[in-house]
Amino acid sequence: NAGVMQNPRHLVRRRGQEARLRCSPMKGHSHVYWYRQLPEEGLKFMVYLQKENIIDESGMPKERFSAEFPKEGPSILRIQQVVRGDSAAYFCASSPSATYYEQYFGPGTRLTVT
Amino acid sequence: ILNVEQSPQSLHVQEGDSTNFTCSFPSSNFYALHWYRWETAKSPEALFVMTLNGDEKKKGRISATLNTKEGYSYLYIKGSQPEDSATYLCAFHTGANSKLTFGKGITLSVRP
Repeated sequence: NAGVMQNPRHLVRRRGQEARLRCSPMKGHSHVYWYRQLPEEGLKFMVYLQKENIIDESGMPKERFSAEFPKEGPSILRIQQVVRGDSAAYFCASSPSATYYEQYFGPGTRLTVT
Repeated sequence: ILNVEQSPQSLHVQEGDSTNFTCSFPSSNFYALHWYRWETAKSPEALFVMTLNGDEKKKGRISATLNTKEGYSYLYIKGSQPEDSATYLCAFHTGANSKLTFGKGITLSVRP
Protein backbone atom coordinates (compact mmCIF):
# COMPACT_ATOMS: atom_id res chain seq x y z
CA ASN A 1 0.00 0.00 0.00
CA ALA A 2 1.73 3.13 -1.20
CA GLY A 3 1.87 6.01 1.22
CA VAL A 4 0.59 9.52 0.65
CA MET A 5 2.07 10.87 -2.58
CA GLN A 6 2.72 14.51 -3.31
CA ASN A 7 3.99 16.08 -6.48
CA PRO A 8 5.95 17.89 -7.47
CA ARG A 9 8.44 17.65 -4.63
CA HIS A 10 9.97 20.98 -5.56
CA LEU A 11 8.27 23.79 -7.42
CA VAL A 12 9.75 27.12 -8.44
CA ARG A 13 7.43 29.91 -9.54
CA ARG A 14 7.96 33.57 -10.35
CA ARG A 15 5.87 36.15 -8.58
CA GLY A 16 2.43 36.38 -10.17
CA GLN A 17 2.36 32.82 -11.53
CA GLU A 18 0.08 30.05 -10.38
CA ALA A 19 1.19 27.07 -8.30
CA ARG A 20 -0.65 23.74 -8.31
CA LEU A 21 0.25 21.18 -5.69
CA ARG A 22 -1.11 17.65 -5.89
CA CYS A 23 -1.79 15.11 -3.18
CA SER A 24 -2.82 11.49 -3.70
CA PRO A 25 -4.01 10.04 -0.39
CA MET A 26 -3.38 6.50 0.71
CA LYS A 27 -5.60 3.91 -0.93
CA GLY A 28 -8.97 3.81 0.77
CA HIS A 29 -8.55 7.21 2.42
CA SER A 30 -11.22 9.76 1.68
CA HIS A 31 -10.11 12.55 4.05
CA VAL A 32 -7.31 14.92 3.13
CA TYR A 33 -5.65 17.71 5.13
CA TRP A 34 -3.24 20.36 3.90
CA TYR A 35 -0.64 21.92 6.19
CA ARG A 36 1.98 24.56 5.54
CA GLN A 37 5.37 25.08 7.13
CA LEU A 38 6.70 28.59 6.76
CA PRO A 39 10.43 29.19 7.45
CA GLU A 40 11.25 28.94 11.16
CA GLU A 41 7.69 27.91 12.02
CA GLY A 42 5.83 24.70 12.80
CA LEU A 43 3.26 22.96 10.65
CA LYS A 44 0.05 24.99 10.40
CA PHE A 45 -3.30 23.63 9.30
CA MET A 46 -4.79 25.07 6.12
CA VAL A 47 -7.77 23.04 4.95
CA TYR A 48 -9.58 19.73 5.49
CA LEU A 49 -11.47 18.06 2.64
CA GLN A 50 -13.49 14.96 2.06
CA LYS A 51 -14.32 13.76 -1.41
CA GLU A 52 -15.97 16.68 -3.24
CA ASN A 53 -16.46 18.69 -0.03
CA ILE A 54 -14.49 21.26 1.93
CA ILE A 55 -15.09 20.56 5.61
CA ASP A 56 -12.87 23.14 7.31
CA GLU A 57 -10.92 25.88 5.57
CA SER A 58 -10.30 28.00 8.64
CA GLY A 59 -6.52 28.01 8.11
CA MET A 60 -6.56 28.97 4.47
CA PRO A 61 -5.77 32.55 3.44
CA LYS A 62 -8.96 34.12 2.10
CA GLU A 63 -7.50 35.25 -1.19
CA ARG A 64 -5.51 33.47 -3.89
CA PHE A 65 -5.67 30.03 -2.22
CA SER A 66 -8.13 27.30 -3.07
CA ALA A 67 -8.34 23.55 -2.60
CA GLU A 68 -10.36 20.75 -4.06
CA PHE A 69 -10.65 16.99 -3.73
CA PRO A 70 -12.67 15.69 -6.67
CA LYS A 71 -14.47 12.38 -6.85
CA GLU A 72 -11.70 11.04 -9.07
CA GLY A 73 -8.06 12.05 -8.89
CA PRO A 74 -5.80 13.77 -6.42
CA SER A 75 -6.50 16.68 -4.13
CA ILE A 76 -5.19 19.96 -5.53
CA LEU A 77 -4.00 23.00 -3.59
CA ARG A 78 -3.93 25.96 -5.91
CA ILE A 79 -2.21 29.27 -5.24
CA GLN A 80 -2.89 32.04 -7.72
CA GLN A 81 -0.60 35.03 -8.30
CA VAL A 82 2.07 33.72 -5.94
CA VAL A 83 4.09 36.13 -3.81
CA ARG A 84 7.42 35.60 -2.04
CA GLY A 85 5.64 35.04 1.26
CA ASP A 86 4.04 31.89 -0.19
CA SER A 87 7.45 30.20 -0.23
CA ALA A 88 7.06 27.30 2.17
CA ALA A 89 6.79 23.53 2.43
CA TYR A 90 3.24 22.28 1.86
CA PHE A 91 2.27 18.92 3.30
CA CYS A 92 -0.81 16.85 2.89
CA ALA A 93 -2.06 14.11 5.15
CA SER A 94 -4.84 11.59 4.76
CA SER A 95 -7.01 9.42 6.97
CA PRO A 96 -9.55 6.72 6.19
CA SER A 97 -12.64 7.70 8.10
CA ALA A 98 -14.41 10.23 10.26
CA THR A 99 -13.55 8.40 13.47
CA TYR A 100 -9.92 7.52 12.80
CA TYR A 101 -7.32 9.36 14.86
CA GLU A 102 -4.19 9.16 12.79
CA GLN A 103 -3.22 11.30 9.86
CA TYR A 104 -0.60 9.93 7.47
CA PHE A 105 1.66 12.50 5.89
CA GLY A 106 3.19 12.85 2.47
CA PRO A 107 6.76 14.06 1.87
CA GLY A 108 5.70 17.61 1.07
CA THR A 109 6.12 20.04 -1.81
CA ARG A 110 8.66 22.79 -1.36
CA LEU A 111 7.48 25.91 -3.14
CA THR A 112 9.97 28.65 -3.90
CA VAL A 113 8.75 31.95 -5.29
CA THR A 114 11.40 34.01 -7.02
CA ILE B 1 -6.34 29.97 20.34
CA LEU B 2 -4.76 26.57 20.84
CA ASN B 3 -1.05 26.55 21.54
CA VAL B 4 1.14 23.50 21.70
CA GLU B 5 4.51 24.13 23.30
CA GLN B 6 7.48 21.84 23.03
CA SER B 7 10.71 21.99 24.95
CA PRO B 8 13.59 22.06 24.58
CA GLN B 9 13.81 23.38 21.00
CA SER B 10 16.91 21.37 20.27
CA LEU B 11 19.01 18.81 22.00
CA HIS B 12 22.49 17.45 21.33
CA VAL B 13 23.36 14.23 23.13
CA GLN B 14 25.97 11.51 23.02
CA GLU B 15 25.15 8.03 21.76
CA GLY B 16 23.85 5.99 24.68
CA ASP B 17 22.37 8.93 26.58
CA SER B 18 18.69 8.84 27.46
CA THR B 19 16.62 11.90 26.64
CA ASN B 20 13.16 13.23 27.28
CA PHE B 21 11.03 15.91 25.70
CA THR B 22 7.99 17.77 26.93
CA CYS B 23 4.85 18.74 25.06
CA SER B 24 2.25 20.95 26.73
CA PHE B 25 -1.20 21.55 25.32
CA PRO B 26 -4.58 23.01 26.38
CA SER B 27 -6.31 20.55 28.69
CA SER B 28 -9.83 21.61 27.70
CA ASN B 29 -11.58 19.96 24.71
CA PHE B 30 -8.91 17.29 24.55
CA TYR B 31 -9.39 14.47 22.06
CA ALA B 32 -5.99 13.03 21.18
CA LEU B 33 -2.29 13.77 21.35
CA HIS B 34 0.11 12.64 18.63
CA TRP B 35 3.86 12.28 18.47
CA TYR B 36 5.55 12.26 15.07
CA ARG B 37 9.15 11.63 14.08
CA TRP B 38 10.36 13.70 11.14
CA GLU B 39 13.59 13.20 9.28
CA THR B 40 14.75 15.81 6.80
CA ALA B 41 13.30 15.35 3.28
CA LYS B 42 10.94 12.60 4.46
CA SER B 43 7.31 12.41 5.59
CA PRO B 44 6.51 12.91 9.26
CA GLU B 45 6.08 9.40 10.64
CA ALA B 46 3.50 8.67 13.32
CA LEU B 47 5.03 7.33 16.54
CA PHE B 48 2.15 7.36 18.98
CA VAL B 49 -1.40 8.57 19.35
CA MET B 50 -2.75 8.77 22.88
CA THR B 51 -6.25 9.53 24.00
CA LEU B 52 -6.70 8.62 27.67
CA ASN B 53 -5.29 10.30 30.75
CA GLY B 54 -2.48 8.14 32.06
CA ASP B 55 -1.85 6.46 28.68
CA GLU B 56 1.62 5.09 28.24
CA LYS B 57 2.83 3.85 24.87
CA LYS B 58 6.10 2.15 23.95
CA LYS B 59 7.83 1.31 20.68
CA GLY B 60 11.29 -0.17 21.10
CA ARG B 61 13.45 2.34 22.98
CA ILE B 62 10.90 5.13 22.65
CA SER B 63 8.01 5.62 25.05
CA ALA B 64 5.46 8.34 25.79
CA THR B 65 3.13 9.28 28.61
CA LEU B 66 0.05 11.48 28.71
CA ASN B 67 -1.52 13.67 31.38
CA THR B 68 -4.69 15.26 30.02
CA LYS B 69 -5.70 16.91 33.30
CA GLU B 70 -2.61 19.08 33.45
CA GLY B 71 -2.05 19.16 29.70
CA TYR B 72 1.33 17.58 29.07
CA SER B 73 2.99 14.60 27.45
CA TYR B 74 6.54 13.29 27.76
CA LEU B 75 8.50 11.44 25.11
CA TYR B 76 11.45 9.36 26.31
CA ILE B 77 14.24 7.85 24.26
CA LYS B 78 16.35 5.31 26.11
CA GLY B 79 19.93 4.83 24.98
CA SER B 80 19.87 7.27 22.06
CA GLN B 81 21.41 6.13 18.79
CA PRO B 82 22.58 8.28 15.83
CA GLU B 83 19.59 7.02 13.82
CA ASP B 84 17.30 8.68 16.40
CA SER B 85 18.48 12.06 15.10
CA ALA B 86 15.34 13.76 13.80
CA THR B 87 12.75 16.35 14.68
CA TYR B 88 10.05 15.15 17.08
CA LEU B 89 6.68 16.82 16.71
CA CYS B 90 3.74 16.71 19.01
CA ALA B 91 0.26 17.60 17.82
CA PHE B 92 -3.07 17.99 19.52
CA HIS B 93 -6.59 17.74 18.26
CA THR B 94 -10.00 18.42 19.67
CA GLY B 95 -12.16 15.95 17.74
CA ALA B 96 -12.04 13.00 15.36
CA ASN B 97 -10.90 14.14 11.99
CA SER B 98 -10.35 17.69 13.06
CA LYS B 99 -7.20 19.59 12.27
CA LEU B 100 -3.98 18.89 14.11
CA THR B 101 -2.34 21.76 15.97
CA PHE B 102 1.41 21.20 16.02
CA GLY B 103 4.19 22.37 18.25
CA LYS B 104 7.35 23.69 16.59
CA GLY B 105 9.17 20.44 17.19
CA ILE B 106 12.29 19.37 19.03
CA THR B 107 15.39 18.67 16.97
CA LEU B 108 17.49 15.86 18.40
CA SER B 109 21.05 15.29 17.31
CA VAL B 110 22.82 12.17 18.58
CA ARG B 111 26.63 12.13 18.27
CA PRO B 112 28.25 8.72 17.72
